[in-house]
Amino acid sequence: LAKTTQPISMDSYEGQEVNITCSHNNIATNDYITWYQQFPSQGPRFIIQGYKTKVTNEVASLFIPADRKSSTLSLPRVSLSDTAVYYCLVGEGQAGNNRKLIWGLGTSLAVNP
Amino acid sequence: NAGVTQTPKFQVLKTGQSMTLQCAQDMNHNSMYWYRQDPGMGLRLIYYSASEGTTDKGEVPNGYNVSRLNKREFSLRLESAAPSQTSVYFCASRRDRDPSNQPQHFGDGTRLSIL
Repeated sequence: LAKTTQPISMDSYEGQEVNITCSHNNIATNDYITWYQQFPSQGPRFIIQGYKTKVTNEVASLFIPADRKSSTLSLPRVSLSDTAVYYCLVGEGQAGNNRKLIWGLGTSLAVNP
Repeated sequence: NAGVTQTPKFQVLKTGQSMTLQCAQDMNHNSMYWYRQDPGMGLRLIYYSASEGTTDKGEVPNGYNVSRLNKREFSLRLESAAPSQTSVYFCASRRDRDPSNQPQHFGDGTRLSIL
């Protein structure tokens, strides 16, 4: 199983850069790495996805080393509204309809004033 | 844009009662999913449907049944509710069958309490 491991919680301050690392030692060759954000009383929301190297969009960057056994979500200059739980997600097994996605337990990020 | 709509948002049941949670998406997505989320457990997949007319078990299917009524709708049924099924239930959808590189779109959840 492509299990993931993330820190349970992190603290930061407004304006700082936050890096959250996820370990996924058993990632399969065809798997992508996806990060979601979840606020209280809401469903998870897609942030960013990547396969290798670096991906950047308007809200975050995702760094993936060559061995792909980990990934780091980088949030630049966080604000109070970035306080949320962040999930790292990788696929499992061969491509096809019977794949099961494995969710990590998430990292609870608290951004302080 | 409605996205993924779940009904009801809240529900309290007594042990042994039955209930169907409804989910509908308006994005013309092929795949749909039901998850439950419990404190300290993260999201766990109950059932999923890769396309209209097909359903498959996920990680925790016991005590649940599902129906992919059409491409838009995917319902989750508890035939005889148990306190262990108290949870927040999320429905999600995805455009393609292969989950590798398409993000899931989630509803805002149904909070279910079973007494």
